[in-house]
Amino acid sequence: ETGVTQSPTHLIKTRGQQVTLRCSSQSGHNTVSWYQQALGQGPQFIFQYYREEENGRGNFPPRFSGLQFPNYSSELNVNALELDDSALYLCASSLGSEKLFFGSGTQLSVL
Amino acid sequence: RKEVEQDPGPFNVPEGATVAFNCTYSNSASQSFFWYRQDCRKEPKLLMSVYSSGNEDGRFTAQLNRASQYISLLIRDSKLSDSATYLCVVSGAGSYQLTFGKGTKLSVIP
Repeated sequence: ETGVTQSPTHLIKTRGQQVTLRCSSQSGHNTVSWYQQALGQGPQFIFQYYREEENGRGNFPPRFSGLQFPNYSSELNVNALELDDSALYLCASSLGSEKLFFGSGTQLSVL
Repeated sequence: RKEVEQDPGPFNVPEGATVAFNCTYSNSASQSFFWYRQDCRKEPKLLMSVYSSGNEDGRFTAQLNRASQYISLLIRDSKLSDSATYLCVVSGAGSYQLTFGKGTKLSVIP
C-alpha cells in the first residue's frame, strides 16, 4: 500500500464529454504527478503540481488540466474527450522530487 | 528516436532461468535511473534504482553504462512471481519527470 488513492477506479465516457479524476496523496507529500498509460505503452508524463502550482508539463494539449488543493490532493480534468484518451491514468505523490509513490490508477474508456 | 528504448519481448523463460533486460536512453543529461515492475494493469512499483557502480538486490542486479547510455537488469533463478512487465525509467537532475520505456513483458513458465 502506497497511501495514494485514486477515484474512480474505472470510468466509461463518450467522445466529447468531460471527465474529472481524483487523487489523494500520501500523508506528508506535497507534490503530485499525473501519468497516462495507453495499452502496451509505458506511462507518459502529463504534468506535476507542487504546492498548488503547476510545476512542469509533458506533451499534452491544454484540454488536459489539473488542480492541487491545500491538502495536496489533486484533480485531473480532461475536456472534449477523444477515443485516444482511453488509458490508465496514474497519480503519483512525492515529497518534492524524491521517490514517487503511485496510486492504483483510474481506467478510462472513451466510446 | 524514442527517449527510452527497451528490448521488445516478450520473454518466456522456465523457472530457475537467468534473464537479462536491456535498455538505452537518448538524453545524455539524464541523472537518475530506475527499473520499475508493473503487474497487469496495476500501478508501476519501484524495483530498484540503478547506479554507475552497479547494484544488487537479492536475485536482481542492475548495471548502468553512462558512456553507452545503456542500462541492464539481470534476474537470476527466475520465480513464477517474477512474471510482470519491467519498465526502464530515467529522469534528469533533480527532475520530477520520469521518462518510461514501453516495458518488456516477462513470463516465467513452470
